[in-house]
Amino acid sequence: DIQMTQSPSSLSASVGDRVTITCRASQTISRYLNWYQQKPGRAPDLLIYAAFSLQSGVPSRFSGSGSGTDFTLTISSLQPEDFATYYCQQSYNSPYTFGQGTKLEIK
Amino acid sequence: EMQLVESGGGLVQPGGSLRLSCAASGFTVSSNYMSWVRQAPGKGLEYVSVIYTSGTTYYADSVKGRFTISRDNSKNTLYLQMNSLRAEDTAVYYCAREVKYSDFWSGYLDSWGQGTLVTVSS
Repeated sequence: DIQMTQSPSSLSASVGDRVTITCRASQTISRYLNWYQQKPGRAPDLLIYAAFSLQSGVPSRFSGSGSGTDFTLTISSLQPEDFATYYCQQSYNSPYTFGQGTKLEIK
Repeated sequence: EMQLVESGGGLVQPGGSLRLSCAASGFTVSSNYMSWVRQAPGKGLEYVSVIYTSGTTYYADSVKGRFTISRDNSKNTLYLQMNSLRAEDTAVYYCAREVKYSDFWSGYLDSWGQGTLVTVSS
């Protein structure tokens, strides 16, 4: 199985900050990497698919980049509603696998 | 508007069975890849199973031989039959629609249900 490793596991930041979360795959996954946001007690929401394509309705402050094994999710200017847990997920091979999550907290 | 509504979760003893349902509206289940993803309390997301438009199914090793994914096209509903349940199957179970990438066999999960909690305990 392809292992997905996110860093950091948790992050404290302030409203207005620029934040970057990294996801590394244990083998190449081309650009078949998706990002999700999950708030407590809620289902995940899709943010980014295929490494850099923004899901409809997602604010443009979210962006994704990378290919191969290394990927990033960037939030250009944090808003109060962005404090949540973020997961990357590869869909290059079955079984699809998720990163362990990055919890973004208010500083 | 697309919507997925799960049901069927609850408390079950180890070794018992449950059947989860996921009723879809706003799109056709049989025309999409449909998945189950679970999340143990306080933990991350784990992919459980998928059924492709062809009817082909896939299972994570952790549930293979115990869980069965299926769909009822007339009811536009996805199911997960869970047998021989273990304590480690305790989780919120989400159904999700997978949209295929334009240039690849797989895709991304663009629509999720609210989840249903399964607790396996004596």
